[in-house]
Amino acid sequence: NAGVTQTPKFQVLKTGQSMTLQCAQDMNHEYMSWYRQDPGMGLRLIHYSVGAGITDQGEVPNGYNVSRSTTEDFPLRLLSAAPSQTSVYFCASSSEGVHQPQHFGDGTRLSIL
Amino acid sequence: GESVGLHLPTLSVQEGDNSIINCAYSNSASDYFIWYKQESGKGPQFIIDIRSNMDKRQGQRVTVLLNKTVKHLSLQIAATQPGDSAVYFCAEIRINDMRFGAGTRLTVKP
Repeated sequence: NAGVTQTPKFQVLKTGQSMTLQCAQDMNHEYMSWYRQDPGMGLRLIHYSVGAGITDQGEVPNGYNVSRSTTEDFPLRLLSAAPSQTSVYFCASSSEGVHQPQHFGDGTRLSIL
Repeated sequence: GESVGLHLPTLSVQEGDNSIINCAYSNSASDYFIWYKQESGKGPQFIIDIRSNMDKRQGQRVTVLLNKTVKHLSLQIAATQPGDSAVYFCAEIRINDMRFGAGTRLTVKP
């Protein structure tokens, strides 16, 4: 039972580069979310989805795009990486709602130089 | 190395002792609360939750207490084990909003 799978686990980018963080879940959950976790701070919601084809912005959406073409996959795109986007990114899913207990992946540690 | 979790409050306990981890929440309208455990290099893991119409809820070796008067939440871990070493954080939920605390790092000494 894989749960929520995130790839890659680590990534280093140069400022201005773009990349996609992958997230897949095998629990048939409708709700999926992306968070960033910065030192000494709580998780902050970037974008979320309440079902295939439906996405919305969270607390800190600027500089990120998402899409939800299938129930299983919810990729996060960085359009033009900036040092301020250096963080640990977590994808989560839930059968109950965006603001309900989440199943989290193990994160992608992203450094922007 | 693990950069997330720097500058967090820390709690160090002896194996076998009870641990109490505290969380102050900000909004009196919050009506649902969750505790998560995050081990080094891993994603957060749900531990226990409590709704605002309750003062106490117990799970396996864990108890959550809610004091709405002072907007305070605590997580008690009985007979703390080395595997309990992690960062613990709370989340407060109100309609269409969920906020996470930064957490407390629990270290269990053998």
